[in-house]
Amino acid sequence: GENVEQHPSTLSVQEGDSAVIKCTYSDSASNYFPWYKQELGKGPQLIIDIRSNVGEKKDQRIAVTLNKTAKHFSLHITETQPEDSAVYFCAASKNSASKIIFGSGTRLSIRP
Amino acid sequence: GAVVSQHPSWVICKSGTSVKIECRSLDFQATTMFWYRQFPKQSLMLMATSNEGSKATYEQGVEKDKFLINHASLTLSTLTVTSAHPEDSSFYICSARWYTSDTDTQYFGPGTRLTVL
Repeated sequence: GENVEQHPSTLSVQEGDSAVIKCTYSDSASNYFPWYKQELGKGPQLIIDIRSNVGEKKDQRIAVTLNKTAKHFSLHITETQPEDSAVYFCAASKNSASKIIFGSGTRLSIRP
Repeated sequence: GAVVSQHPSWVICKSGTSVKIECRSLDFQATTMFWYRQFPKQSLMLMATSNEGSKATYEQGVEKDKFLINHASLTLSTLTVTSAHPEDSSFYICSARWYTSDTDTQYFGPGTRLTVL
């Protein structure tokens, strides 16, 4: 079955700097890659997603890249702010009707 | 964006009792909903896939007789934890698939924290 690996497990960056989180997946049939932000005690919130027919997608300070050949995808957050502090999960799926397999999560801390 | 609610947000129960958790899609119809469990500082683990009008599909290792799922309508799925024990204490999260000609995305509920004494 699908396996999603995520790195790093923790990440601390200075406010205003960029943060990058990387994931790899094992199932070449996966074609939907969402990213979620989870704050303490809350459910995951979809922040951006990308499908396999696209190599890059951007939404304001957040961007995601996908390399299908290498089975890598990454989340980039620019100009980080204190409210960006949370746990971020990457995930992979064959489509949104299929089960989503989550990475292990990255705890991002923004230093003031 | 689409809104998914869960009720209750938290519940404390005695060992041996049953607890029902509701998951509702508030502004869209969801033929497919998913139930996840999350232990502290861990990732989300899929428990089962719930399809409206049919039996749920459980992941390997999840006891279907212990975690009863009912997807009775296009906006409501319920998870009942039967004969709960302390090891069932966890954060239970549902998601709902929103599918239209323009979008095909899963949205998550806020979660329900279950504590079994």
